[in-house]
Formats: sequence, structure tokens, C-alpha cells
Amino acid sequence: ETGVTQSPTHLIKTRGQQVTLRCSSQSGHNTVSWYQQALGQGPQFIFQYYREEENGRGNFPPRFSGLQFPNYSSELNVNALELDDSALYLCASGQPLHSGANVLTFGAGSRLTVL
Amino acid sequence: QQQVKQSPQSLIVQKGGISIINCAYENTAFDYFPWYQQFPGKGPALLIAIRPDVSEKKEGRFTISFNKSAKQFSLHIMDSQPGDSATYFCAASTNNAGNMLTFGGGTRLMVKP
Repeated sequence: ETGVTQSPTHLIKTRGQQVTLRCSSQSGHNTVSWYQQALGQGPQFIFQYYREEENGRGNFPPRFSGLQFPNYSSELNVNALELDDSALYLCASGQPLHSGANVLTFGAGSRLTVL
Repeated sequence: QQQVKQSPQSLIVQKGGISIINCAYENTAFDYFPWYQQFPGKGPALLIAIRPDVSEKKEGRFTISFNKSAKQFSLHIMDSQPGDSATYFCAASTNNAGNMLTFGGGTRLMVKP
């Protein structure tokens, strides 16, 4: 069973609103990342955090922001929601490999619907 | 931009058959190639991964074949079972990229009993 938990599992928002999604990483993993998975597509990297600082970002606008806390929990915040933001948002924590790439453990995701 | 292209989009295989999913990448800096399995309502789970210094890696019924010169890699599922029915994603990342994976578009596999 995955050690990464996400909340809420489902939520519905209207266009223009703001949303906060939460993630509790697997113990011992010091990196966390967020992915957006649109229906029928592969996950797309949003950003990653290491030691509470953002240290990598995909092709997402600034209205997507995040936080990582000392207790391994993290948040994804999305402002000014658009219809295209409707997706499954996945949190993943990383177990570092010697070369730098991480073995990722994904949570089950938060399904966001924007109306 | 789609740096990792996956095919086919869907695949139907009879129980006991071989399932083959292919991926091609563009970025020659990629050096870590994992495959993830995702069941409905669940997050992706790591299945098997390979680095470009080997041409094949086998774990149980799952095998990755890697062709560095062609920039292609594939997943073979031997003796496919109905429980293997899921969506499979190939992915790639560069050295020191941490959690930043580039995923393919996914293949929905159905294994018929």
C-alpha cells in the first residue's frame, strides 16, 4: 500500500475560484512533486520541492504554486481556476538513487472538477 | 511538447499472450526509463525501470528492452493475465532531475480471459 496520502479525493470548484490540495509524503522521502493528469493522458510534471524549496518546475503558469513543510506534508495551490484545470492531481514523494533520479511513490490523487 | 511517444493507445490481448508496448524518446540526456502501472482510481505505481547501460532488464513476467541508438524502449508482459489489465505509462528523466519525469501518453491494456 502506498505511503503517500492525498486529500481531498474529489472536489468541485467553479471557474475563478482557488483550490488547495494536500499531500502527506512517505516517511524518509525528502523530495515531493506534483503532477497533473488530464483524463486519458499521462501525468504532466508541475513542480518539485526539496527541503521546503521549489527546485524544478514544468510548463505551468505562476497561478500554480506549492509549499513543502518540515513534516513531509505539502500543498498545491491553484488560483483563478480555469475549466482546463479539471484533472487528477497526483502527489509523489521521491527516494533518491545514487545518480540523482528518484524512485517515485505516487498517491491516489485528488480529482478536481472545475465548472 | 511530447518528448516521450507511446504506442499503442490501447491493446487487447488474450490470457497467456504477450503484451508489447513501445516508447520512443527525443531527449538524448534521458538516462532513467521507468514503467508505471495505473489501475482505475489509483495513482501510478512503479513496475520496472532501466538505465541505458543495459539493453534488457527482466523482473518476473515483465521485461524492458532498450535500444539506445534508436532512442526506443519497450515493455513486454509475458503470459498476460486478466489482473494485468490496467493503463501502462512509460517515462523518462535525466540525471539529477529528481522527481521530474516525462511521461508517455499511456496504453490501456485489456487482457481477455
